[in-house]
Order: sequence, then C-alpha cells, then structure tokens
Amino acid sequence: DAGVIQSPRHEVTEMGQEVTLRCKPISGHDYLFWYRQTMMRGLELLIYFNNNVPIDDSGMPEDRFSAKMPNASFSTLKIQPSEPRDSAVYFCASSYGPWETQYFGPGTRLLVL
Amino acid sequence: DQQVKQNSPSLSVQEGRISILNCDYTNSMFDYFLWYKKYPAEGPTFLISISSIKDKNEDGRFTVFLNKSAKHLSLHIVPSQPGDSAVYFCAASSGGGSNYKLTFGKGTLLTVNP
Repeated sequence: DAGVIQSPRHEVTEMGQEVTLRCKPISGHDYLFWYRQTMMRGLELLIYFNNNVPIDDSGMPEDRFSAKMPNASFSTLKIQPSEPRDSAVYFCASSYGPWETQYFGPGTRLLVL
Repeated sequence: DQQVKQNSPSLSVQEGRISILNCDYTNSMFDYFLWYKKYPAEGPTFLISISSIKDKNEDGRFTVFLNKSAKHLSLHIVPSQPGDSAVYFCAASSGGGSNYKLTFGKGTLLTVNP
C-alpha cells in the first residue's frame, strides 16, 4: 500500500481565499484523522471520522474550517476564508480502529499570506 | 491548557550514549501512551506504546517507562544512533466510551552527534 496520501504537499495562498486539502487513507482503514501542527500549539487533532461519519470535531478552530468524507477513500479539509494564522502543516492519518496505530500522511504545508 | 507536556524542546547526545526524552501529563483519565517519531518533511510514525497497567515496555533499543503516580513517562534510546535524530512526540489517550482521540505534546528535537 502507498500509505496515506495527501495533496497538495505545499500550498501558498492569499488571505481570504478558499483552501482545500485532500487525503486518501490507507485502504481498509475505518478511522481518519485530521491534525494541525504549529510551533505554538504543537500537533493538535481537528476532527476524526469513523466509517465516513464525523465523530468528534471539537478541535476545529472555527466555522471557517469544514471537513468531509464522502467515501471511504477520500476526505477533504476546507478553510474558507483563509487567514494568515491558519498557516501550519496539516496532517491526515488513518487507522483500522480506535486503538490501532495511526498512520500519518506526509502533510500539507500551508502558508497564507 | 496543555494536557501533555514535553518541557525540553531539544536534546543533543553523542552516538552510542543513552537518550532520555521526558513527557508529563495532567489528565488522570489518560491510560494509554504512545511515542511517535517525525523526520523533516514526513508525517509522524508510531514508535512504541504503553498501557497504564504496565510500567515498562521495551522494543529493541527503545524502552518506555511510565510512572502513574507522578504522571510522567520517558522514552529511553540505547544506544543512540545518528539515524535517531528526529522530533519525538509523546501522545496520550483515555480508553472507554465511544470517543477516542490522541492528545500530543509539542515534541522534542533529538540530535544524535556522530
């Protein structure tokens, strides 16, 4: 398996623009997680899905952030409108189950100017 | 409020010596702990874990120790190798219920010098 795939790897955009990050989990994994890494807050969980259903979105910073999982092989994290403070590395991870090892993608480095 | 704290942002050791990375937590409900390792431009990868019913877990050169009364865990790497140079994240979770998630520390950058 190719592992968790994220795209794009790098994104530079201007404040106010819409940003869409994409993730393809490992086939057969029922759990999908979105994380954000910043210098100030470290690695924090934004939202996670089980069988395509959002289970906990309490980490989503505000209404500008939304995530979807239309099927078992694809998820998106959208920021609209984007702000400079959203600049961070966004990771997607997947696992077979809640207590199973989470496998992380390479991340998307987002810079909002 | 950081529930998982890694108070040392960085650590430098000589090849062959022991590396000790520390982690403290505040949430007494945490009962499962993990260490992840991250190289630049890559995602974190799982390294080792420990359940609260144990106080030690060993995997090759890596050993994790858990002191529940002190709410403290540590990762020992013996002997340290230059390839171990990476950022190490401590993570914790609480079991039970239908809600599962990991809480991570901010990470410690380990540099192993040849």
